[in-house]
Amino acid sequence: GQSLEQPSEVTAVEGAIVQINCTYQTSGFYGLSWYQQHDGGAPTFLSYNALDGLEETGRFSSFLSRSDSYGYLLLQELQMKDSASYFCAVRDNYGQNFVFGPGTRLSVLP
Amino acid sequence: NAGVTQTPKFRILKIGQSMTLQCTQDMNHNYMYWYRQDPGMGLKLIYYSVGAGITDKGEVPNGYNVSRSTTEDFPLRLELAAPSQTSVYFCASSSRTEATDTQYFGPGTRLTVL
Repeated sequence: GQSLEQPSEVTAVEGAIVQINCTYQTSGFYGLSWYQQHDGGAPTFLSYNALDGLEETGRFSSFLSRSDSYGYLLLQELQMKDSASYFCAVRDNYGQNFVFGPGTRLSVLP
Repeated sequence: NAGVTQTPKFRILKIGQSMTLQCTQDMNHNYMYWYRQDPGMGLKLIYYSVGAGITDKGEVPNGYNVSRSTTEDFPLRLELAAPSQTSVYFCASSSRTEATDTQYFGPGTRLTVL
């Protein structure tokens, strides 16, 4: 089986930097993904790490350490529109099944 | 491109009724998925498909059925609706490579079973 853990809530102010952690336990590993979901909306893809290291996409970066079964999403120069839920997700041993974490609700304060 | 489209957007069912949630994608993706999301929770995989004619169960398949006769369409069937199936249902598609694993989600169907 597989399980993922994330903090349930994070709060930060505009312009700040915030890191959302994700730890996972899987019987195999095919990469760690991050999705953003605004209230009432659909999840949208942010980032994917198949290998160890940092992936950067604009204000968002994602990091993976396969030896530690750990990753994080880093959001810089926070804006009010970044207030949303953020989910990490992994594929299972066979590479087909897809499991989402419970989500982290980010609140950005003025 | 429309991406992933889902119909209906909202639906109220009575206990014991049946319905089909429609999902269509125009990106020629082989992989398609159905998820449910209960309020304040993460997404749970119901069924997935790796290509036309091939489907498999996810984490929470009980009470649902799927079919995949074409690359574009992946309908989800609810038989004998129960209050526990009240949820938001998302369909997604992806084209996996070694470098990326992006899933594109439809807008969702909000289902209430009374």
